[in-house]
Amino acid sequence: DTAVSQTPKYLVTQMGNDKSIKCEQNLGHDTMYWYKQDSKKFLKIMFSYNNKELIINETVPNRFSPKSPDKAHLNLHINSLELGDSAVYFCASSQVRVGGRADTQYFGPGTRLTVL
Amino acid sequence: DQQVKQNSPSLSVQEGRISILNCDYTNSMFDYFLWYKKYPAEGPTFLISISSIKDKNEDGRFTVFLNKSAKHLSLHIVPSQPGDSAVYFCAPWEDNLFFGTGTRLTVIP
Repeated sequence: DTAVSQTPKYLVTQMGNDKSIKCEQNLGHDTMYWYKQDSKKFLKIMFSYNNKELIINETVPNRFSPKSPDKAHLNLHINSLELGDSAVYFCASSQVRVGGRADTQYFGPGTRLTVL
Repeated sequence: DQQVKQNSPSLSVQEGRISILNCDYTNSMFDYFLWYKKYPAEGPTFLISISSIKDKNEDGRFTVFLNKSAKHLSLHIVPSQPGDSAVYFCAPWEDNLFFGTGTRLTVIP
């Protein structure tokens, strides 16, 4: 039973295309996240989302947009893909933060995106 | 501007010995610190955490030490086992997790 799953695991596409990465969690968590791990291995938050608010890292281009059809899913849509978007993207989930305290985040296996 | 630094990209330790992984940070607003472990082709998994009101937290073979004045924390694994071979990320919290670049630990049998 995979707690946080992502599809596809690998994605190779041409510049300019639009693509989506799906994420599902079966932990009953209220908050989901997208992270990007670039070629230098930096793992950076892109979005955090629960049913009340979407928090966007201001450095994320607006070509990236999260879509949440329900509490268990947070998909990542990327428009007009660029070479620099090549990275590994991780989805994660956690319980709603209580009093601002960090809650353990559970990560998916990652999606390696390659833009040619 | 990287707020979290793990200056040792790799570390090799003999099985049974102690592994010490270090992490330095610059943001004094961080008040909760997590360590994640990552195997190849998998997502990071939570390992251990420490609140800023403590200077030590222990969980089995894993102990995390926090020196707030020095903005430094370390993860001790003792005794190290081959299955501990992975990349370890330090991840302080302030509204979000801020990950370091990781240290690849190799435990030699």
